[in-house]
Amino acid sequence: QVQLVQSGSELKKPGASVRISCETSGYDFTDYTINWVRQVPGQGLEWMGWMKTDTGTPTYAQGFAGRFVFSLDTSVTTTYLQINSLKTEDTAVYFCARDDEFDYWGQGTLVTVSS
Amino acid sequence: DVVMTQSPLSLPVTLGQPASVSCRSDHSLVHSDGNTYLSWFHQRPGHSPRRLIYRVSDRDSGVPDRFSGSGSGTHFTLKISRVEAEDVGVYYCMQSTHWPPGTFGQGTRLEI
Repeated sequence: QVQLVQSGSELKKPGASVRISCETSGYDFTDYTINWVRQVPGQGLEWMGWMKTDTGTPTYAQGFAGRFVFSLDTSVTTTYLQINSLKTEDTAVYFCARDDEFDYWGQGTLVTVSS
Repeated sequence: DVVMTQSPLSLPVTLGQPASVSCRSDHSLVHSDGNTYLSWFHQRPGHSPRRLIYRVSDRDSGVPDRFSGSGSGTHFTLKISRVEAEDVGVYYCMQSTHWPPGTFGQGTRLEI
């Protein structure tokens, strides 16, 4: 069955970096894009961008270009989200989701940024 | 970007009674391929969203038939025929016709 399994919660200080993984299984990895979605505590869902897994081409939504970097490793069918120069306002749950119709989701990764 | 507006934002319901959530877009969601890419998601507290409905009215596998989606163009509706306790949480609509970006509604909190 299709599964997206994300890495565990992270606690980071402002200015640090964090990398979140989204390991997929149960389907052909390069057949579907992977999206990243942010949810600030108590708020709604915000699309951050996507990664075309066949070409390795990322697309970033407005406001997520620069400090946010998508990457992938097809050998382990895993997509990554790296956030550099962390700010306290980056505290959120980050989800990966498959395809532009978001049919399967990871369980989410809580990133807490605090001094 | 397409703006998705849901109403109501809070929906108190009684077990066994119907419930309905509205979602409006500021652009038609009919794609040039003829499909309308409007989905509905349910998010329980502490969980990731789960897709219930895609392309306006197609139910995902395992979704109870008390959930139904309808609409066209710019106005869409999610209906629950008889609310059960497990239906609590937040419901989001999302469009992926005008892609990128995908845009979500603000969410509707269903409370019993």
